[in-house]
Amino acid sequence: DQQVKQNSPSLSVQEGRISILNCDYTNSMFDYFLWYKKYPAEGPTFLISISSIKDKNEDGRFTVFLNKSAKHLSLHIVPSQPGDSAVYFCAASNTGNQFYFGTGTSLTVIP
Amino acid sequence: DAMVIQNPRYQVTQFGKPVTLSCSQTLNHNVMYWYQQKSSQAPKLLFHYYDKDFNNEADTPDNFQSRRPNTSFCFLDIRSPGLGDAAMYLCATSRVVATWDNTQYFGPGTRLTVL
Repeated sequence: DQQVKQNSPSLSVQEGRISILNCDYTNSMFDYFLWYKKYPAEGPTFLISISSIKDKNEDGRFTVFLNKSAKHLSLHIVPSQPGDSAVYFCAASNTGNQFYFGTGTSLTVIP
Repeated sequence: DAMVIQNPRYQVTQFGKPVTLSCSQTLNHNVMYWYQQKSSQAPKLLFHYYDKDFNNEADTPDNFQSRRPNTSFCFLDIRSPGLGDAAMYLCATSRVVATWDNTQYFGPGTRLTVL
């Protein structure tokens, strides 16, 4: 039972344009959400997070939006750079230590 | 500077032959986690330690065990690996368990192959 879903396995974007990665969840008790970035042969690295008391969090080129009523979050990367090419995982938690991960979206930024 | 280290990076074992994967951390974090990730699937939490307190996920098979002899080290023991246990095993740590600050730091993973 996949509680966190990333329905787009892959995404290609031109350099300089906006990348939008989407994530949906089913558990309304989730109150903390994170995005991780993973390069090949490396473990996931933390990118940005948001708690359920907010609807937006921004860090440089990365912005995460949370729509609690729709149980949806998205990661915006603008402008996209070739170095952003990686697999992006979203994760959600309601207990503080149990995170549920999505299956990931592979982003390719085309120079 | 490596913060979460996993050894070996690649492990090959035979069906039914016990295998141990190791994880160490230099972050002095309280919590350590083991995840299993199969191809094209989400990482799945197997268990975690909060200090010395072991927390097993309900659907983690008994074939999987873990040890945490000290703050820095955590081991994953697979007692009788089956073909279905071939996967990437990810170790992660976090400083606390509070929801508002529970960023997990991952190691590079160990790719387990079962012959």
